[in-house]
Amino acid sequence: AQSVTQLGSHVSVSEGALVLLRCNYSSSVPPYLFWYVQYPNQGLQLLLKYTSAATLVKGINGFEAEFKKSETSFHLTKPSAHMSDAAEYFCAVRPNNAGNMLTFGGGTRLMVKP
Amino acid sequence: GAGVSQSPSNKVTEKGKDVELRCDPISGHTALYWYRQSLGQGLEFLIYFQGNSAPDKSGLPSDRFSAERTGGSVSTLTIQRTQQEDSAVYLCASSFKGTGNYGYTFGSGTRLTVV
Repeated sequence: AQSVTQLGSHVSVSEGALVLLRCNYSSSVPPYLFWYVQYPNQGLQLLLKYTSAATLVKGINGFEAEFKKSETSFHLTKPSAHMSDAAEYFCAVRPNNAGNMLTFGGGTRLMVKP
Repeated sequence: GAGVSQSPSNKVTEKGKDVELRCDPISGHTALYWYRQSLGQGLEFLIYFQGNSAPDKSGLPSDRFSAERTGGSVSTLTIQRTQQEDSAVYLCASSFKGTGNYGYTFGSGTRLTVV
C-alpha cells in the first residue's frame, strides 16, 4: 500500500520568496511521483513527475522537485514566487509495478502576498 | 478530443433527486477514473475503469453511487437520491495504460450542489 502526506495544508509566501511545498510518501516498491496544480475552478494540471530517471525533476512554470529516497520525500520548490502561483498543489504516488492508480495527498494551498 | 471533457460544469439539484455526470476521456486512453473533491478536502477516489476489465468500485461511498463506461469511452457517474453531503466537485481523469509513468489528464470537473 502507498500513501502521501503533505505537511501544511496552507503555505503563505511573499512574492519573490522561495516556495517550498513538502511531500512525503510511503510505498512498498519504488514509486512514480507526481505534483499537480489546481487553479480556482479548474481541474488538476500535471506540474511534473518523477519516473526513476533523474532525481531532480523540472516542471512547468519554474517549479522543480527532488526525489530523496533516504528521506522518502519529493518536495516541490520554486526559487521566486509569483502572484500567479497562488493555487492548490497536490502530490501523488503510484507504485511502479501495479496498475495505474494514483494516491493523492491532502493538498497544500499556496498563497502569495504582494 | 484534445482533453478530458466533463458535463455539466455545474449542477444544482434538490435533495432526493438523481443526477448523472458525464465524462468524455481523451481518445485512445484506456483508463478512466472518477474522484470527488469536497470543500477544503483532497481527492477521494471513487471508481476506476481499465479497458474491458471489471471496474474497481472500491471507492464508491454508498450504493447510491454507480458508474458505467460504454464502449470503453464515455463514462457516466450516477448518484441516486442525492444528499447534501454529496455536494462536491466530481473530477474525471483518463490515462493511457501501459505507459506506467504517465500521470492522469483531468477534466475541469462538475460542481454538484445539493440543496
